[in-house]
Amino acid sequence: DSGVTQTPKHLITATGQRVTLRCSPRSGDLSVYWYQQSLDQGLQFLIQYYNGEERAKGNILERFSAQQFPDLHSELNLSSLELGDSALYFCASSVAAGLHTDTQYFGPGTRLTVL
Amino acid sequence: DAKTTQPNSMESNEEEPVHLPCNHSTISGTDYIHWYRQLPSQGPEYVIHGLTSNVNNRMASLAIAEDRKSSTLILHRATLRDAAVYYCIPFYNQGGKLIFGQGTELSVKP
Repeated sequence: DSGVTQTPKHLITATGQRVTLRCSPRSGDLSVYWYQQSLDQGLQFLIQYYNGEERAKGNILERFSAQQFPDLHSELNLSSLELGDSALYFCASSVAAGLHTDTQYFGPGTRLTVL
Repeated sequence: DAKTTQPNSMESNEEEPVHLPCNHSTISGTDYIHWYRQLPSQGPEYVIHGLTSNVNNRMASLAIAEDRKSSTLILHRATLRDAAVYYCIPFYNQGGKLIFGQGTELSVKP
């Protein structure tokens, strides 16, 4: 158990819909990262928040957005869903802002299926 | 971004040592080498990291070549639980994002 929690574990929805994935970081961690894992693209970094502020952005679609709240939990919002958005979405957390020596702790993931 | 090259798959026998290689010839001088692994149906898990010298922890050892163009993750006694995809990741000086490659899928035979 990494100490990072993600809800829900599974999500099945239809194309065109909007969903929200939630992540609670480990106690004391200030950074939250979101990653997407699909069969054809592998594990890809989406976005990072540090203490409420966006810190780094990867190949995140404009239909996707995220935020980190004052209690440090984070939400990833996916809208206008397409079949290709079906994937595992992982959240990770780390103590600091992403230093070379930071360790990222990953949650168990949310499996999104778009029908 | 530095590119990494890892074997697609490797096989080991239980309780034998395993050496997982990684080439990262374009790494910059300040990039640490991080290794993560992903067990089946789980999120990635940190294994070890280092900069220039060899590193040991309870999970594994990391041997970094003197020119830093390659490294080797060493599992001293493989167990069935070590069956996973192992990722070698140069950690860039651009925030905290991890760039995952294809990794090496390690299978462990009893």
